[in-house]
Amino acid sequence: KAGVTQTPRYLIKTRGQQVTLSCSPISGHRSVSWYQQTPGQGLQFLFEYFSETQRNKGNFPGRFSGRQFSNSRSEMNVSTLELGDSALYLCASNLVGGADTQYFGPGTRLTVL
Amino acid sequence: GESVGLHLPTLSVQEGDNSIINCAYSNSASDYFIWYKQESGKGPQFIIDIRSNMDKRQGQRVTVLLNKTVKHLSLQIAATQPGDSAVYFCAERGNAGNMLTFGGGTRLMVKP
Repeated sequence: KAGVTQTPRYLIKTRGQQVTLSCSPISGHRSVSWYQQTPGQGLQFLFEYFSETQRNKGNFPGRFSGRQFSNSRSEMNVSTLELGDSALYLCASNLVGGADTQYFGPGTRLTVL
Repeated sequence: GESVGLHLPTLSVQEGDNSIINCAYSNSASDYFIWYKQESGKGPQFIIDIRSNMDKRQGQRVTVLLNKTVKHLSLQIAATQPGDSAVYFCAERGNAGNMLTFGGGTRLMVKP
């Protein structure tokens, strides 16, 4: 079974632009969570989607948003990019919302210049 | 607030020795704990997990111990190998859906 896939793997943007990242969960997994990883703040939870609904949201500004499609694929969007948004964005999926092991994808490395 | 921390940022061990990575957590309501391994350029890889109603769980060469009295979690790796070199994260799941709170990470370095 294929793992969690994320596209693109690398992205370079400039301040003020917006970006959309994509995540395809493991087949059959319906819950998708997003995390931001930076050297300074570590791994921080952004939001979780289950059945196309946002179930939880972390402490990030409204510039960070996401959505989930009926096939469980998810996208996250960051508008008005800031230098501090440079990070590795990780997507994780698990079988049933609220249950157990989350499996991570390889991440999208976003660099904001 | 919720937080998960690690005592040692870097652990260096000799190949073949056992490794112990420790983690402290603060949310007594957390019901599920996970250890992840992250190699350079990759996403976190699941190693082992444990529910709060257990105090020990074993996998292949790895054991997780949970001490709820002192809110402490540890990962033991037996016969550490060079391929075990990575950053290890503990994470806890509280009472907010699937949200995981991660510790800061411990870098494990295995000397040949």
